[in-house]
Amino acid sequence: QKEVEQDPGPLSVPEGAIVSLNCTYSNSAFQYFMWYRQYSRKGPELLMYTYSSGNKEDGRFTAQVDKSSKYISLFIRDSQPSDSATYLCAMSPPGGLTGGGNKLTFGTGTQLKVEL
Amino acid sequence: EAQVTQNPRYLITVTGKKLTVTCSQNMNHEYMSWYRQDPGLGLRQIYYSMNVEVTDKGDVPEGYKVSRKEKRNFPLILESPSPNQTSLYFCASSPHASEKLFFGSGTQLSVL
Repeated sequence: QKEVEQDPGPLSVPEGAIVSLNCTYSNSAFQYFMWYRQYSRKGPELLMYTYSSGNKEDGRFTAQVDKSSKYISLFIRDSQPSDSATYLCAMSPPGGLTGGGNKLTFGTGTQLKVEL
Repeated sequence: EAQVTQNPRYLITVTGKKLTVTCSQNMNHEYMSWYRQDPGLGLRQIYYSMNVEVTDKGDVPEGYKVSRKEKRNFPLILESPSPNQTSLYFCASSPHASEKLFFGSGTQLSVL
């Protein structure tokens, strides 16, 4: 069983829809949770960064963490064609990459297409 | 502009011909890492470096070498490439005590 599970999609939605992307994980040591967005033929870029449980909002994006269920979500409101990309969840124990853990553990990514 | 620069972007080579993919970052980051990305397998760490002269194996290090002689550079070396190393490769860096990774644009490698 993978440490992080993510539905690969593809997920196709109409413009303006609310999108929900999810990951589950098994390692209870994870404390930091991230969402990366990856456009075709590009490197992943950090989209959202949260610590422990709770919600964080940034514009049309909301990241939600439920540590008791080992479940994280990314919500995109009023989705736009420019949101079409692959979304990767990533997790890490505390201490940073030079301290508590030497790597992020990534999900395999969910491919999202927002259609006009 | 703060960035991680990889070269080349695309590379086609033949089995056994040594190659180097360069990676450079201008953000004075301590941590650097190489990943490969394959369909259905996601991002897998090849090697990482906590600082200059400090490198260690990731999850899939076989067939790869790295060096970290300077803080800004972290080249990936394939001494004898094989077709199963055909993949999309990413270099990434992170500042001290941070979990945030900054990625390069990727190198698409094909080994024939």
